[in-house]
Amino acid sequence: DTEVTQTPKHLVMGMTNKKSLKCEQHMGHRAMYWYKQKAKKPPELMFVYSYEKLSINESVPSRFSPECPNSSLLNLHLHALQPEDSALYLCASSQDDRPQETQYFGPGTRLLVL
Amino acid sequence: EDQVTQSPEALRLQEGESSSLNCSYTVSGLRGLFWYRQDPGKGPEFLFTLYSAGEEKEKERLKATLTKKESFLHITAPKPEDSATYLCAVQASGGATNKLIFGTGTLLAVQP
Repeated sequence: DTEVTQTPKHLVMGMTNKKSLKCEQHMGHRAMYWYKQKAKKPPELMFVYSYEKLSINESVPSRFSPECPNSSLLNLHLHALQPEDSALYLCASSQDDRPQETQYFGPGTRLLVL
Repeated sequence: EDQVTQSPEALRLQEGESSSLNCSYTVSGLRGLFWYRQDPGKGPEFLFTLYSAGEEKEKERLKATLTKKESFLHITAPKPEDSATYLCAVQASGGATNKLIFGTGTLLAVQP
């Protein structure tokens, strides 16, 4: 089983709202990722968590705040977003953060910021 | 700078018409090359991982090959359900250990 689940599937929020995206996996993976994907573009890495610790932040604005409460869960807290932040947000996981480990993606959350 | 280029950008095939997608890469040292399939509005679905030149992997109508400069995804007798965007990504030995560098994808449309 290589399933990564994400909720919600769709989210519409205003620029003053606070919302959270949730990602869950039960494969025993110890590395989890957040990606952002704009239309007709490839995914762009935002954050990497390894063994529940933030290991990579790709210079993401502070209005995006990741959290890893335990090894199965990954959250992305959103606050004061801009319309240009509208995108498909993808979560992925891998066995660990060693090179060559395959990353498995969830279905994504489609975010629209008004 | 590490770079991945996919061609063509878009490809239209008739059902049963075999073809190949190309992924060229320039990286400091290749640790792995990954192929994903992505349907509109969905997350990428893992297809193959290739680690060294000469390696080949097969799954149903798809076969992935790897050389020192590029990878091919061969599609044999495609069906309409093979229509999707195919993404290639590499992991390089320089930089963040497990960061994926994606190409821009090939949009494949298979017509019945």
